[in-house]
Amino acid sequence: NAGVTQTPKFRVLKTGQSMTLLCAQDMNHEYMYWYRQDPGMGLRLIHYSVGEGTTAKGEVPDGYNVSRLKKQNFLLGLESAAPSQTSVYFCASSYGGGQNTEAFFGQGTRLTVV
Amino acid sequence: GENVEQHPSTLSVQEGDSAVIKCTYSDSASNYFPWYKQELGKRPQLIIDIRSNVGEKKDQRIAVTLNKTAKHFSLHITETQPEDSAVYFCAAPSFAGGSQGNLIFGKGTKLSVKP
Repeated sequence: NAGVTQTPKFRVLKTGQSMTLLCAQDMNHEYMYWYRQDPGMGLRLIHYSVGEGTTAKGEVPDGYNVSRLKKQNFLLGLESAAPSQTSVYFCASSYGGGQNTEAFFGQGTRLTVV
Repeated sequence: GENVEQHPSTLSVQEGDSAVIKCTYSDSASNYFPWYKQELGKRPQLIIDIRSNVGEKKDQRIAVTLNKTAKHFSLHITETQPEDSAVYFCAAPSFAGGSQGNLIFGKGTKLSVKP
């Protein structure tokens, strides 16, 4: 039981490049989330999904797209990376909505855009 | 939407002293209030949570209190130890604007426990 796994762990992009971050969970959770963490800003929600085939915008969705084609996977895409997207990205999942159960986090992806 | 304010942003205590971190929230529909601990370079992990039907919950040296009328909740750590040094985040679910209870986090408190 690996929990929540993110790939890659580190990545350096040039401005304008694209990439996809993969999040996989093996706990059969319905809800999945993508957060970004910046110094002094806490964890800010980018997008989330309440089940397979669904996605919704969070607090800071601009510049990102997501897909949840399979229940266990939640992908975060950057179509044209900008330096402002340099951050640590965390994926999380929970059995129910955030108001009911613990959210389990992945180990994080450190992304640098130069 | 939900707005979660957390204070202080940094807190330094001597080993053995108590530490208190406070959070306020804005969405009156919020009914679940978790606290996460993030050690340096690690992922956030749940340490304690409280639901709106209780006012206080304890787990060994940590406790959380909730005041729904005032819309604030606090984390209390007693007999602090160096291994308590970390960043602590409070959170509350958002139901405004069609949100489905996704967690909104405070900005975090960096706790340093000096030996």
